[in-house]
Amino acid sequence: LAKTTQPISMDSYEGQEVNITCSHNNIATNDYITWYQQFPSQGPRFIIQGYKTKVTNEVASLFIPADRKSSTLSLPRVSLSDTAVYYCLVGDIDRDDKIIFGKGTRLHILP
Amino acid sequence: GAVVSQHPSRVICKSGTSVKIECRSLDFQATTMFWYRQFPKQSLMLMATSNEGSKATYEQGVEKDKFLINHASLTLSTLTVTSAHPEDSSFYICSARWRGGRTGELFFGEGSRLTVL
Repeated sequence: LAKTTQPISMDSYEGQEVNITCSHNNIATNDYITWYQQFPSQGPRFIIQGYKTKVTNEVASLFIPADRKSSTLSLPRVSLSDTAVYYCLVGDIDRDDKIIFGKGTRLHILP
Repeated sequence: GAVVSQHPSRVICKSGTSVKIECRSLDFQATTMFWYRQFPKQSLMLMATSNEGSKATYEQGVEKDKFLINHASLTLSTLTVTSAHPEDSSFYICSARWRGGRTGELFFGEGSRLTVL
């Protein structure tokens, strides 16, 4: 899996849009970008996955520039329940022998 | 979505005993499962990759005789912490890989919190 770099932590307020950026300069052609959310004492949960441009689902959007060396997870109108750690994984989950997590971004939503 | 069930969710044991954690993929066949360990406020650390029918591949620094992994079927992998000690206390998480579409997907168990007294 390509090495990723994310901010260690972020704070935001309820109702705001939150953007978390992940850098992955060594992304390979077959790699996808996948974001997971983890609450305390729970396993990670899939949020969104993309390869290029923009992907949107019911909970988030993922923006990927043309060079694919970074990506941005966008959470619209966050609530207190969005307080969690967010991990960006870059790789070919279908083929990679190892799935290694980076440090993630600890998002804290304030009232 | 696919479900991965992990059991037990919490276990407390005495030092020197062994503890087994089960990871089941409930509605798909997982040829590969991954075991992670997580300390408070830290990221998931990959311990080993478990392939059905073959020996697990352990990460550097993870004692294979200490953390026994068995992946005997396409829906079940187990992690046994042998002769547990307080330093083994941690949150253990399994993940099963599903290969069914253009890209693979990972589904995670709920995690198992081990406390060794």
